[in-house]
Amino acid sequence: AQKVTQTQTSISVVEKTTVTMDCVYETRDSSYFLFWYKQTASGEIVFLIRQDSYKKENATVGHYSLNFQKPKSSIGLIITATQIEDSAVYFCAMRGSNYNVLYFGSGTKLTVEP
Amino acid sequence: NAGVIQTPRHKVTGKGQEATLWCEPISGHSAVFWYRQTIVQGLEFLTYFRNQAPIDDSGMPKERFSAQMPNQSHSTLKIQSTQPQDSAVYLCASSSRGANYAEQFFGPGTRLTVL
Repeated sequence: AQKVTQTQTSISVVEKTTVTMDCVYETRDSSYFLFWYKQTASGEIVFLIRQDSYKKENATVGHYSLNFQKPKSSIGLIITATQIEDSAVYFCAMRGSNYNVLYFGSGTKLTVEP
Repeated sequence: NAGVIQTPRHKVTGKGQEATLWCEPISGHSAVFWYRQTIVQGLEFLTYFRNQAPIDDSGMPKERFSAQMPNQSHSTLKIQSTQPQDSAVYLCASSSRGANYAEQFFGPGTRLTVL
């Protein structure tokens, strides 16, 4: 069974700074995919970034990057140069190699203040 | 490009009534997923279709809930005899075989309120 855990309920930062959100996962699959999604105040869920377990390089998309530590079953999201509009709830998710369903963490609410 | 479309955006039903939720996946996407989001349970999987065929409904409550995908352009989630505990946001997502069904793209959700 897959399990995703986000222990940080909420984080508050000042804009233009860097924030890291934590996520740990459990799986018996040798190959799997990890994702971060963002849910805005309107409820929209937006795909941000993905890490394939077999890739050693950390994924980067725009001002989002990942800190993938496979031995620790950890996939942290790093947002650099945060903006007010980055305020949202961030979900970590995973899926196995042969099973397409996403398992989500409980989310981390990020507030970016001026 | 249109994203995943879900209708209605809000639905209010009385206890015991039926609710049908609609989802139109992104054109060309062959996998459709239904999830439910509540404050208590968070985001949880309900059911999944690939190429219109039901693949996994392990997340569906055994009674009153059913889902169909009669054609590649829409899927429905039906809840019979709705109960207050069915109140939630129901989310539809789709993904593409070309991306190995990796990223899922979500619709705006249908907020169901059962009075």
